Amino acid sequence: DAKTTQPPSMDCAEGRAANLPCNHSTISGNEYVYWYRQIHSQGPQYIIHGLKNNETNEMASLIITEDRKSSTLILPHATLRDTAVYYCILTYPPSNTGKLIFGQGTTLQVKP
Amino acid sequence: NAGVTQTPKFQVLKTGQSMTLQCAQDMNHNSMYWYRQDPGMGLRLIYYSASEGTTDKGEVPNGYNVSRLNKREFSLRLESAAPSQTSVYFCASRTSSGNTIYFGEGSWLTVV
Repeated sequence: DAKTTQPPSMDCAEGRAANLPCNHSTISGNEYVYWYRQIHSQGPQYIIHGLKNNETNEMASLIITEDRKSSTLILPHATLRDTAVYYCILTYPPSNTGKLIFGQGTTLQVKP
Repeated sequence: NAGVTQTPKFQVLKTGQSMTLQCAQDMNHNSMYWYRQDPGMGLRLIYYSASEGTTDKGEVPNGYNVSRLNKREFSLRLESAAPSQTSVYFCASRTSSGNTIYFGEGSWLTVV
């Protein structure tokens, strides 16, 4: 299974953009990149996902490099409520019910 | 966390006791998962079920058994609980299209 590497922790000032990197150099061609976050031991919450194109939704943007070996999750205007552990995970396309492997995640601390 | 229900939310067991964690989803999902999360750690996959009637081992299956009773329910059983199984357990399910994974709110288990 392809693995992901994320920095263990990051800080961000409230109101600024938070850019969370993820390395997945062994990603296979049909694996999607998903981002989840977990706030204080609640169940993880879906944020966004993509295959090779950049994606944007109401929560965040996802930038995937052309070689697909890394990606960046962008929270455009971080708030204190965005303080959480962010997980970058890889999974297979919808037609293949692959298992989900979480890494250690990045603890994002948003500071006033 | 709407749609995935876990019971019980809290449980204290003595070493050697057995118990079953129940999980049900009402979203007609094919894939279901059980994870554990130890303090300060990421989620680790215990078992998963790609469809009704099938189950497969994840990263840390030892000491656990699972049953995919029907499409809605996926239970996790500890036959002889050990202190090392003290953890928070999360159940999850995934849409058939694979786009979104929903998590339950977690079950806090302490083995003394």
